Amino acid sequence: DTGVSQNPRHKITKRGQNVTFRCDPISEHNRLYWYRQTLGQGPEFLTYFQNEAQLEKSRLLSDRFSAERPKGSFSTLEIQRTEQGDSAMYLCASRSGTGRDTFGSGTRLTVV
Amino acid sequence: EDQVTQSPEALRLQEGESSSLNCSYTVSGLRGLFWYRQDPGKGPEFLFTLYSAGEEKEKERLKATLTKKESFLHITAPKPEDSATYLCAVRGEISSGSARQLTFGSGTQLTVLP
Repeated sequence: DTGVSQNPRHKITKRGQNVTFRCDPISEHNRLYWYRQTLGQGPEFLTYFQNEAQLEKSRLLSDRFSAERPKGSFSTLEIQRTEQGDSAMYLCASRSGTGRDTFGSGTRLTVV
Repeated sequence: EDQVTQSPEALRLQEGESSSLNCSYTVSGLRGLFWYRQDPGKGPEFLFTLYSAGEEKEKERLKATLTKKESFLHITAPKPEDSATYLCAVRGEISSGSARQLTFGSGTQLTVLP
C-alpha cells in the first residue's frame, strides 16, 4: 500500500486526557502536513514538516498541541489536556515532488 | 490571506441531471487550484490541479475549469456513486510562507438520487 496511513481511525477520550495520533506518509515524500477538519468545514492547516524539521505552525496550534517527525519518517501529533473543542477529524497529508498532496483517512477524535 | 468560497453548500440532483459547482477564490500568487472529493469518514481524494486561467481538466463525468477569480466543477450525467463532498483549495505563493499549505473552502455536499 503506497498511501498515507493514519492511526487510530477513531479515538474517544475524556476531557483533560492526553492523546497521540500517528501518520505514516508515502515513503518518498519529504513534506508532511497536519490539518484539522470540523463538521461541515474544509480542512484547516495546523503544521508542516520538511523531513524532520517542523517549519511552520498555524495560529490554530495552541501550546497544548505538539508534533514531531523523528528521522523524517512517520509523524505524531499529541494533544495535551484535551478540551471538547478539540473534537474534530485530524488529517495528515504528504506531498509528492509534483506538488500533489495525498491525504490519509484521518483520525476522528471525540472528547467527552 | 487566501480565501476560498464554495457554492452551493449542498446540491441534490437526479441521476443524469448535469450541473456545476462553484469555487470563488482570492489568493496572492496562485500556485495551483485543487479539487478534491471527500466521502464520509474518509480523507480528501485528489481530483484535479489547475494552474492558470483558461485551463481545463477532465476525468470521466467531471470537468474542472479555471478563471482568474473562479473555478467550476462541471458534472455531466451524474450517477449515485458521484455523491460526495467536493472540496476546492488554493495554494498561494506569498501568504502560505514556506509551507505552501492548501487553503480549503467548506465544500459542496452533492447527492445524486437514482
